[in-house]
Amino acid sequence: AQSVAQPEDQVNVAEGNPLTVKCTYSVSGNPYLFWYVQYPNRGLQFLLKYITGDNLVKGSYGFEAEFNKSQTSFHLKKPSALVSDSALYFCAVRDVGSARQLTFGSGTQLTVLP
Amino acid sequence: ETGVTQSPTHLIKTRGQQVTLRCSSQSGHNTVSWYQQALGQGPQFIFQYYREEENGRGNFPPRFSGLQFPNYSSELNVNALELDDSALYLCASSSTSGATYEQYFGPGTRLTVT
Repeated sequence: AQSVAQPEDQVNVAEGNPLTVKCTYSVSGNPYLFWYVQYPNRGLQFLLKYITGDNLVKGSYGFEAEFNKSQTSFHLKKPSALVSDSALYFCAVRDVGSARQLTFGSGTQLTVLP
Repeated sequence: ETGVTQSPTHLIKTRGQQVTLRCSSQSGHNTVSWYQQALGQGPQFIFQYYREEENGRGNFPPRFSGLQFPNYSSELNVNALELDDSALYLCASSSTSGATYEQYFGPGTRLTVT
C-alpha cells in the first residue's frame, strides 16, 4: 500500500524568505510524486511532478521540489515566498505499478506573512 | 483547451436520499477519477473510470457508484446518503497517452447532507 506523510499542519514564513513544505512517502515500487495547491473553496491545482531523472524538479510559480530516494522524501521549496503563495499544499504519490490513483497527504497550510 | 468542469457547484441533500454528480473531463483526456475530500483532510480516492469501465476503486462502499460515457464525461452516484458523506467531491481527468502522469482537477461539488 502507498502512503504519504506531511508532518507539518501549518508552516508560516515571512515574505521574501525561502519556504519548505515537507513530504515523505511510502510505496512498494518506484514512485511518481506530485505537489498540488488548493485555494479556498477551489479544486486542486497541479504544481509539479517527479517521474524519473533529475532529482530537482521545477514547476509552476517558481516552486521546485527535491526527490530524495534514500530518505523517501519529496520536499516542496521556493527561494522567495510571496503573500499570494498562502494556500493549502498537498503532496501525492502514485506507485508506478498500480492503477492511476493518487494517494494524498493530509495537507500543509502555508501562510506567508507580509 | 477546456479544463475539467463539475456540476452542480453546491448541493444539499437529506440523509437517505440519492445524489448524482457530474464531471466533464479535460479535452483529450480519457480517464476520470473521483475523490472525496472531507473538511480538513486530503482527498481520498473513490474510483477511476477508463473506457467506460471501473479501473480501480478505493475503500468506499458499493453505494458509491459511477459511470463514464463515450465522450469521457462521468457521473458519481451516491445512494442512501449518510451525514458523513458531506464533503467536497473532486473529479480529475488524465490521459493514458503520451508521457503525462498528472491528473487535472475540477473545482469540485460541495455536498452537504442534513
